[in-house]
Amino acid sequence: TQLLEQSPQFLSIQEGENLTVYCNSSSVFSSLQWYRQEPGEGPVLLVTVVTGGEVKKLKRLTFQFGDARKDSSLHITAAQPGDTGLYLCAGVDQTGANNLFFGTGTRLTVIP
Amino acid sequence: NAGVTQTPKFRILKIGQSMTLQCTQDMNHNYMYWYRQDPGMGLKLIYYSVGAGITDKGEVPNGYNVSRSTTEDFPLRLELAAPSQTSVYFCASSYVEEKLFFGSGTQLSVL
Repeated sequence: TQLLEQSPQFLSIQEGENLTVYCNSSSVFSSLQWYRQEPGEGPVLLVTVVTGGEVKKLKRLTFQFGDARKDSSLHITAAQPGDTGLYLCAGVDQTGANNLFFGTGTRLTVIP
Repeated sequence: NAGVTQTPKFRILKIGQSMTLQCTQDMNHNYMYWYRQDPGMGLKLIYYSVGAGITDKGEVPNGYNVSRSTTEDFPLRLELAAPSQTSVYFCASSYVEEKLFFGSGTQLSVL
């Protein structure tokens, strides 16, 4: 089992604030994905990062893959209530076993 | 396109009962997956399939069985339900192995 730990587990902030969510592992992944999940729905893919050190931006969301491909971060600028949800990171197994290993999740609440 | 469709949405089982969770996708994806999601534990892979007639165990396969007779369908079978199988179950599919599309889940309680 490849463990991906996310921090913080819960985060409640005011609209307009910035935040960073972390995803850490002792394992190396060939790529890493971030998903957002809303209540009663399945996760929806936000981004995939592939190269160590890679940075991708999706509007107010910035994703970074660690140089050693073991960790990642998600930074949200000027959070909005629509950003509320469960954020999951998922590492793609380097051995190519068609497995995604999901992190424990960060539940974000943005208060208007 | 409907995407990935799961039924039922909710189910309550008694200990020892059996049931099948249905999953179908209309995107002609080769890869299909079953995950379970427990509070604070992320998603754990139960079984996956890389094509019709081919299935393989994931991280937590005990107590479950799957079959893949067609590209579209990937049912998950619970033979003897146990309280430890209370969870939310998600089916997913993908064309390439890294971009997954998820269904909306089945919330199962075993009492």
